[in-house]
Amino acid sequence: GESVGLHLPTLSVQEGDNSIINCAYSNSASDYFIWYKQESGKGPQFIIDIRSNMDKRQGQRVTVLLNKTVKHLSLQIAATQPGDSAVYFCAESLPSGTYKYIFGTGTRLKVLA
Amino acid sequence: EAGVTQFPSHSVIEKGQTVTLRCDPISGHDNLYWYRRVMGKEIKFLLHFVKESKQDESGMPNNRFLAERTGGTYSTLKVQPAELEDSGVYFCASSQKGRNTEAFFGQGTRLTVV
Repeated sequence: GESVGLHLPTLSVQEGDNSIINCAYSNSASDYFIWYKQESGKGPQFIIDIRSNMDKRQGQRVTVLLNKTVKHLSLQIAATQPGDSAVYFCAESLPSGTYKYIFGTGTRLKVLA
Repeated sequence: EAGVTQFPSHSVIEKGQTVTLRCDPISGHDNLYWYRRVMGKEIKFLLHFVKESKQDESGMPNNRFLAERTGGTYSTLKVQPAELEDSGVYFCASSQKGRNTEAFFGQGTRLTVV
């Protein structure tokens, strides 16, 4: 599978505990944010998104928090499971003519049994 | 429904050779994107098609890279001639019409230039 990088920050969490993955985004004008999960050998998979007019959004076992004041995004995973082990990327989108996403460097989540 | 598919999954070529990567987006998706991840770095945008038109190619590193999307369906990304620094994983994604619609990614093509 793909090697997802040699120097990714790693978060190790005990199975069943909650995980919090943080991301500092780069542009205060960004108006849309997404969290992606990437497992080895696979492409990024959408988890949850949030628009800049919100500060919190909940999904199934996941919550995204947005703090525009400090340009910070976090992903909370409740009751972390072994299948949650992956690299997590945040991405931002600017309200300009481009549709591109700007990705963060990623955080590796390791779930300990 | 099939997801975004990319071919090949792996490619190893020598410096100076040419490689063509292919992406088949989800049927009906107007938007098609190419991204790449060089070892140890973040995923970076290369370009964006809306149907057959290039909307944004600001991320293309140089003129050795050529992307096409004939007929607004599948897309190809050609690297000619390949250099060592082109090694990485190339991802394709597609989304429905409009901005900030969920982008679905393919599994990527791992390109190794030796």
